[in-house]
Amino acid sequence: NAGVTQTPKFQVLKTGQSMTLQCAQDMNHNSMYWYRQDPGMGLRLIYYSASEGTTDKGEVPNGYNVSRLNKREFSLRLESAAPSQTSVYFCASSEREGRHTQYFGPGTRLTVL
Amino acid sequence: GDSVTQMEGPVTLSEEAFLTINCTYTATGYPSLFWYVQYPGEGLQLLLKATKADDKGSNKGFEATYRKETTSFHLEKGSVQVSDSAVYFCALSDRGRRALTFGSGTRLQVQP
Repeated sequence: NAGVTQTPKFQVLKTGQSMTLQCAQDMNHNSMYWYRQDPGMGLRLIYYSASEGTTDKGEVPNGYNVSRLNKREFSLRLESAAPSQTSVYFCASSEREGRHTQYFGPGTRLTVL
Repeated sequence: GDSVTQMEGPVTLSEEAFLTINCTYTATGYPSLFWYVQYPGEGLQLLLKATKADDKGSNKGFEATYRKETTSFHLEKGSVQVSDSAVYFCALSDRGRRALTFGSGTRLQVQP
């Protein structure tokens, strides 16, 4: 039981390049989330998926797109990376939305030059 | 909207000292409250949680009590160890809300 896995762990991009961050969970959870973590700001929600086939914007969605490929996988895409997107990205999952515990992946550290 | 406020860090303590990290919240409903811990270079791990007023969450010697009257969920540990050095996040999750609302995190440094 691996929990929540993310790839890659580290990535360096040039401004304007694109990439996709992958996330998968093996806990049969319905809801999945993408957060970014910046110094002194805690974690902020980028996008979430309440259930398979649905996605919704969070607090900071600009510059990102997501795909809920199936119940297990939820990817985050940067179409044209900008230095402001330099951050640590965390994927999380929970049984359902609302008051349920969220379980986090190990994170992806992204630097945009 | 919902919000979580944590004490500023870093908090620097000697080994075996008593730890308190303050956390207060505002929420429109009846949230669940969480403490997450992030060790250097790792993701967030759930440390403890409480789902209703007066509940006490506990794990690994850490405790926090859900105080509705003071809207607080302070984290305490009686005797910290060097291995407790990490960043601690207070968070809440409310019914009908999309995700967790996090505080800004408090870095704890424990010196031998």
